[in-house]
Amino acid sequence: GDSVTQMEGPVTLSEEAFLTINCTYTATGYPSLFWYVQYPGEGLQLLLKATKADDKGSNKGFEATYRKETTSFHLEKGSVQVSDSAVYFCALEFAGNMLTFGGGTRLMVKP
Amino acid sequence: SAVISQKPSRDICQRGTSLTIQCQVDSQVTMMFWYRQQPGQSLTLIATANQGSEATYESGFVIDKFPISRPNLTFSTLTVSNMSPEDSSIYLCSVDDRNIQYFGAGTRLSVL
Repeated sequence: GDSVTQMEGPVTLSEEAFLTINCTYTATGYPSLFWYVQYPGEGLQLLLKATKADDKGSNKGFEATYRKETTSFHLEKGSVQVSDSAVYFCALEFAGNMLTFGGGTRLMVKP
Repeated sequence: SAVISQKPSRDICQRGTSLTIQCQVDSQVTMMFWYRQQPGQSLTLIATANQGSEATYESGFVIDKFPISRPNLTFSTLTVSNMSPEDSSIYLCSVDDRNIQYFGAGTRLSVL
């Protein structure tokens, strides 16, 4: 079946550090890929998405590129802020079907 | 993007009771989903609720424990029945709007 694997957290960084959260997937076919963010005490918010190979999703300084050859969708940000502290979920979806989530990665950014 | 309101935002319940969670969307959507997020865990799909048909449950979830209603294209409820402490989780509804899923803020349930 389809699955998503994320690097385990927590990831602890200092403010302005570079962030990478790894995400790889296993799927039959070519799903859409998503990053969702969950801030403390809140629900999930869509951060960015990519629907086909080589697409780059970006939002709020975060980027991720859909790499078909490595089945990856790693999340990056050049300079993190304390306000980026949250749990990040990588997910895949085939059109009209349910999302399959990775385990989530907690990011903690210290001033 | 769809805006989703979920009620209650949190509740503390006694063992053996039931809780109904409401999910209201600001636009008509075909597909609504209910997820469970156990403490410190990722999200697990409970069921898919389409208007006019019975909900489709994922493996490990049954209608008697998690009955779902979907009376129209903007509303759904999930009931957690005969609760036990193991049901303590965050329950989230989501909707598919043009192939993107949007989530409510979730209901934080604690069962004593």
